[in-house]
Amino acid sequence: LAKTTQPISMDSYEGQEVNITCSHNNIATNDYITWYQQFPSQGPRFIIQGYKTKVTNEVASLFIPADRKSSTLSLPRVSLSDTAVYYCLVGVVGGATNKLIFGTGTLLAVQP
Amino acid sequence: EAQVTQNPRYLITVTGKKLTVTCSQNMNHEYMSWYRQDPGLGLRQIYYSMNVEVTDKGDVPEGYKVSRKEKRNFPLILESPSPNQTSLYFCASSFTRTGGWTQYFGPGTRLLVL
Repeated sequence: LAKTTQPISMDSYEGQEVNITCSHNNIATNDYITWYQQFPSQGPRFIIQGYKTKVTNEVASLFIPADRKSSTLSLPRVSLSDTAVYYCLVGVVGGATNKLIFGTGTLLAVQP
Repeated sequence: EAQVTQNPRYLITVTGKKLTVTCSQNMNHEYMSWYRQDPGLGLRQIYYSMNVEVTDKGDVPEGYKVSRKEKRNFPLILESPSPNQTSLYFCASSFTRTGGWTQYFGPGTRLLVL
């Protein structure tokens, strides 16, 4: 699995758009990029997944440049309830390994 | 409702007393996994299982055992718990069809070893 690097923490205010970047320089050709959200004392929750270009769902957008060595999770108009830790995970089912490495994540703190 | 359940949710025990944390999923997922989460260290995988009777070590398997006798269940066993295994534990499951890893997580088990 590709090693990922994310900022440890980010601050934002309600109503702003937040972009969290994940670096994965050694991403493999078949790897997907998946983002999870975790609230305190809860299990992580799947947010969005993509392979290339842009993916959007009702919660977030995921931007992946052509070289795929990084990805950006975009949260539009955040609210206090978006305060959480966000993890990016890179890999593919049936790839070189089925061991999963989540990393330390990004703590997003949204203030009023 | 599709879900991953873990029991118990909270557990206080003493060093050396064997314990088992159960995990069950009702989504017919092939892949199941255990993680531990400690402050500042993120999620670290302990063991995973690709299917019944197939298990493999994650990043931090020392001191833990698992078994996968049925598709829906994946218990985590601590045969001789030690204080450094005090942690928050999560079980997760996912399909193994092609694509990225879409894991469904349980609510967590908070373990304190005295």
